[in-house]
Amino acid sequence: DVKVTQSSRYLVKRTGEKVFLECVQDMDHENMFWYRQDPGLGLRLIYFSYDVKMKEKGDIPEGYSVSREKKERFSLILESASTNQTSMYLCASSPPGVGTGFNQPQHFGDGTRLSIL
Amino acid sequence: AQKVTQAQTEISVVEKEDVTLDCVYETRDTTYYLFWYKQPPSGELVFLIRRNSFDEQNEISGRYSWNFQKSTSSFNFTITASQVVDSAVYFCALSDGSNYQLIWGAGTKLIIKP
Repeated sequence: DVKVTQSSRYLVKRTGEKVFLECVQDMDHENMFWYRQDPGLGLRLIYFSYDVKMKEKGDIPEGYSVSREKKERFSLILESASTNQTSMYLCASSPPGVGTGFNQPQHFGDGTRLSIL
Repeated sequence: AQKVTQAQTEISVVEKEDVTLDCVYETRDTTYYLFWYKQPPSGELVFLIRRNSFDEQNEISGRYSWNFQKSTSSFNFTITASQVVDSAVYFCALSDGSNYQLIWGAGTKLIIKP
Protein backbone atom coordinates (compact mmCIF):
# COMPACT_ATOMS: atom_id res chain seq x y z
CA ASP A 1 0.00 0.00 0.00
CA VAL A 2 1.05 3.55 -0.67
CA LYS A 3 2.07 5.38 2.44
CA VAL A 4 2.05 9.15 2.64
CA THR A 5 3.32 10.42 5.95
CA GLN A 6 2.84 13.95 7.22
CA SER A 7 5.17 14.99 10.00
CA SER A 8 2.54 16.23 12.45
CA ARG A 9 -1.17 15.61 13.04
CA TYR A 10 -1.56 18.76 15.09
CA LEU A 11 0.60 21.86 15.15
CA VAL A 12 0.27 25.16 16.97
CA LYS A 13 2.39 28.13 15.90
CA ARG A 14 2.45 31.87 16.46
CA THR A 15 1.80 34.67 14.02
CA GLY A 16 4.91 35.62 12.10
CA GLU A 17 6.70 32.31 12.59
CA LYS A 18 8.13 30.38 9.67
CA VAL A 19 6.36 27.04 9.59
CA PHE A 20 7.45 23.86 7.85
CA LEU A 21 5.06 21.04 7.03
CA GLU A 22 6.77 17.89 5.84
CA CYS A 23 5.40 15.11 3.68
CA VAL A 24 7.08 11.86 2.68
CA GLN A 25 5.79 9.16 0.33
CA ASP A 26 7.20 5.69 -0.11
CA MET A 27 5.92 4.70 -3.56
CA ASP A 28 8.35 6.57 -5.79
CA HIS A 29 5.54 8.76 -7.13
CA GLU A 30 6.47 11.59 -9.45
CA ASN A 31 3.60 13.87 -8.46
CA MET A 32 3.07 15.42 -5.06
CA PHE A 33 0.47 17.92 -3.90
CA TRP A 34 -0.37 20.22 -1.02
CA TYR A 35 -3.99 21.11 -0.32
CA ARG A 36 -5.73 23.00 2.38
CA GLN A 37 -9.21 22.11 3.50
CA ASP A 38 -11.55 24.58 5.15
CA PRO A 39 -15.22 24.15 6.11
CA GLY A 40 -17.46 25.25 3.27
CA LEU A 41 -14.54 25.73 0.87
CA GLY A 42 -13.63 22.13 0.17
CA LEU A 43 -10.14 21.16 -0.99
CA ARG A 44 -8.02 23.86 -2.54
CA LEU A 45 -4.69 23.18 -4.21
CA ILE A 46 -1.79 25.25 -2.90
CA TYR A 47 1.15 23.85 -4.88
CA PHE A 48 2.06 20.72 -6.75
CA SER A 49 5.26 19.17 -8.02
CA TYR A 50 5.71 16.76 -10.91
CA ASP A 51 9.42 16.12 -10.41
CA VAL A 52 12.33 16.86 -8.14
CA LYS A 53 12.96 20.61 -7.90
CA MET A 54 9.91 21.28 -10.07
CA LYS A 55 6.89 23.09 -8.66
CA GLU A 56 3.75 24.72 -9.94
CA LYS A 57 1.31 27.05 -8.24
CA GLY A 58 -2.17 25.87 -7.53
CA ASP A 59 -5.18 28.00 -6.76
CA ILE A 60 -4.00 29.64 -3.54
CA PRO A 61 -0.19 29.88 -3.43
CA GLU A 62 -0.01 33.28 -1.74
CA GLY A 63 1.81 33.13 1.57
CA TYR A 64 3.22 29.68 0.88
CA SER A 65 6.27 28.19 -0.77
CA VAL A 66 7.35 24.60 -1.33
CA SER A 67 10.51 22.58 -1.63
CA ARG A 68 11.15 19.28 -3.33
CA GLU A 69 14.81 18.38 -3.07
CA LYS A 70 14.20 14.63 -3.09
CA LYS A 71 11.57 12.65 -4.93
CA GLU A 72 9.97 11.25 -1.80
CA ARG A 73 9.74 14.51 0.16
CA PHE A 74 7.60 17.57 -0.45
CA SER A 75 7.68 20.39 2.07
CA LEU A 76 5.21 23.22 2.49
CA ILE A 77 6.53 26.42 4.00
CA LEU A 78 4.53 29.23 5.52
CA GLU A 79 6.97 32.09 5.23
CA SER A 80 5.35 34.25 7.91
CA ALA A 81 2.37 32.50 9.43
CA SER A 82 -0.87 34.41 9.77
CA THR A 83 -4.11 33.53 11.54
CA ASN A 84 -5.91 33.09 8.23
CA GLN A 85 -3.64 30.15 7.51
CA THR A 86 -5.20 28.17 10.33
CA SER A 87 -6.50 25.14 8.49
CA MET A 88 -6.24 21.44 7.74
CA TYR A 89 -3.35 20.73 5.37
CA LEU A 90 -3.34 17.60 3.25
CA CYS A 91 -0.45 16.16 1.30
CA ALA A 92 -0.95 13.69 -1.55
CA SER A 93 1.09 11.82 -4.12
CA SER A 94 0.33 10.05 -7.38
CA PRO A 95 2.11 8.38 -10.28
CA PRO A 96 2.23 10.20 -13.64
CA GLY A 97 -1.06 10.57 -15.46
CA VAL A 98 -2.11 8.95 -18.71
CA GLY A 99 -1.77 11.62 -21.36
CA THR A 100 -2.33 15.06 -19.91
CA GLY A 101 -3.71 15.91 -16.53
CA PHE A 102 -3.50 14.36 -13.11
CA ASN A 103 -5.73 11.40 -13.81
CA GLN A 104 -4.16 8.81 -11.54
CA PRO A 105 -5.55 8.32 -8.05
CA GLN A 106 -4.00 10.56 -5.45
CA HIS A 107 -2.99 9.01 -2.14
CA PHE A 108 -3.30 11.19 0.90
CA GLY A 109 -1.62 11.53 4.25
CA ASP A 110 -3.52 11.85 7.51
CA GLY A 111 -3.47 15.63 7.37
CA THR A 112 -2.02 18.29 9.66
CA ARG A 113 -4.34 20.51 11.67
CA LEU A 114 -2.43 23.76 11.92
CA SER A 115 -3.45 26.51 14.30
CA ILE A 116 -1.85 29.92 14.09
CA LEU A 117 -2.30 31.99 17.25
CA ALA B 1 -15.21 25.31 -17.70
CA GLN B 2 -14.96 22.23 -15.58
CA LYS B 3 -17.15 21.83 -12.56
CA VAL B 4 -18.24 19.15 -10.12
CA THR B 5 -21.48 19.56 -8.21
CA GLN B 6 -22.45 17.55 -5.17
CA ALA B 7 -25.79 19.09 -4.37
CA GLN B 8 -26.36 17.11 -1.19
CA THR B 9 -24.50 18.85 1.59
CA GLU B 10 -25.50 16.34 4.26
CA ILE B 11 -27.45 13.10 4.28
CA SER B 12 -28.59 11.26 7.36
CA VAL B 13 -29.99 7.72 7.27
CA VAL B 14 -30.53 4.89 9.66
CA GLU B 15 -28.21 1.92 9.52
CA LYS B 16 -29.08 -0.72 6.90
CA GLU B 17 -30.80 1.77 4.64
CA ASP B 18 -29.53 2.23 1.10
CA VAL B 19 -28.22 5.67 0.24
CA THR B 20 -27.16 7.35 -3.00
CA LEU B 21 -24.74 10.24 -3.22
CA ASP B 22 -25.10 12.37 -6.32
CA CYS B 23 -22.31 13.80 -8.45
CA VAL B 24 -22.86 15.90 -11.56
CA TYR B 25 -19.91 17.09 -13.61
CA GLU B 26 -19.23 19.51 -16.45
CA THR B 27 -16.43 19.25 -18.98
CA ARG B 28 -15.94 19.93 -22.67
CA ASP B 29 -13.36 17.20 -23.07
CA THR B 30 -14.26 13.80 -24.47
CA THR B 31 -11.54 12.15 -22.41
CA TYR B 32 -11.84 12.60 -18.70
CA TYR B 33 -11.67 10.70 -15.43
CA LEU B 34 -13.98 10.70 -12.45
CA PHE B 35 -13.10 9.80 -8.90
CA TRP B 36 -14.73 9.18 -5.56
CA TYR B 37 -12.92 9.64 -2.26
CA LYS B 38 -13.98 9.00 1.32
CA GLN B 39 -12.88 11.15 4.26
CA PRO B 40 -13.74 9.55 7.61
CA PRO B 41 -13.67 11.62 10.81
CA SER B 42 -9.99 10.75 11.26
CA GLY B 43 -9.24 13.05 8.32
CA GLU B 44 -7.39 10.96 5.75
CA LEU B 45 -8.87 10.98 2.26
CA VAL B 46 -9.20 7.47 0.89
CA PHE B 47 -9.42 6.74 -2.82
CA LEU B 48 -12.47 4.62 -3.70
CA ILE B 49 -12.77 4.47 -7.48
CA ARG B 50 -11.65 5.98 -10.76
CA ARG B 51 -13.64 5.81 -13.99
CA ASN B 52 -12.64 7.00 -17.44
CA SER B 53 -15.08 8.55 -19.88
CA PHE B 54 -14.95 5.61 -22.27
CA ASP B 55 -16.13 3.07 -19.76
CA GLU B 56 -19.78 3.47 -18.81
CA GLN B 57 -20.09 0.11 -17.17
CA ASN B 58 -21.42 0.30 -13.67
CA GLU B 59 -19.09 -0.86 -10.97
CA ILE B 60 -19.89 -2.85 -7.86
CA SER B 61 -17.54 -3.48 -4.98
CA GLY B 62 -19.20 -5.19 -2.07
CA ARG B 63 -21.86 -2.83 -0.70
CA TYR B 64 -20.62 0.02 -2.90
CA SER B 65 -21.77 0.63 -6.44
CA TRP B 66 -21.27 3.42 -8.93
CA ASN B 67 -23.56 4.50 -11.75
CA PHE B 68 -21.85 6.45 -14.53
CA GLN B 69 -24.22 8.06 -17.05
CA LYS B 70 -22.67 10.30 -19.69
CA SER B 71 -26.13 11.29 -20.97
CA THR B 72 -26.81 13.09 -17.68
CA SER B 73 -23.16 13.86 -16.81
CA SER B 74 -23.56 12.03 -13.55
CA PHE B 75 -21.44 9.62 -11.55
CA ASN B 76 -23.54 8.58 -8.58
CA PHE B 77 -22.43 6.45 -5.67
CA THR B 78 -24.74 4.05 -3.82
CA ILE B 79 -24.10 2.34 -0.53
CA THR B 80 -26.31 -0.66 0.06
CA ALA B 81 -27.21 -1.72 3.60
CA SER B 82 -25.33 1.20 5.11
CA GLN B 83 -23.27 0.78 8.26
CA VAL B 84 -22.14 3.22 10.91
CA VAL B 85 -18.56 2.90 9.61
CA ASP B 86 -19.73 4.42 6.33
CA SER B 87 -20.18 7.75 8.10
CA ALA B 88 -17.78 10.14 6.39
CA VAL B 89 -17.55 12.99 3.94
CA TYR B 90 -17.53 11.74 0.35
CA PHE B 91 -15.93 13.72 -2.45
CA CYS B 92 -16.40 13.39 -6.18
CA ALA B 93 -13.64 14.76 -8.44
CA LEU B 94 -12.94 15.27 -12.15
CA SER B 95 -9.74 15.22 -14.17
CA ASP B 96 -9.64 16.20 -17.84
CA GLY B 97 -6.94 17.29 -20.28
CA SER B 98 -7.61 21.00 -20.11
CA ASN B 99 -6.67 21.44 -16.50
CA TYR B 100 -3.76 19.93 -14.65
CA GLN B 101 -5.65 19.91 -11.41
CA LEU B 102 -8.33 17.68 -10.02
CA ILE B 103 -11.62 19.53 -9.86
CA TRP B 104 -13.22 18.65 -6.54
CA GLY B 105 -16.84 18.70 -5.53
CA ALA B 106 -17.77 20.31 -2.23
CA GLY B 107 -18.37 16.94 -0.59
CA THR B 108 -21.40 15.23 0.93
CA LYS B 109 -21.40 14.49 4.64
CA LEU B 110 -23.01 11.12 5.23
CA ILE B 111 -24.28 10.28 8.71
CA ILE B 112 -25.35 6.73 9.43
CA LYS B 113 -27.31 6.44 12.66
CA PRO B 114 -27.36 3.14 14.57
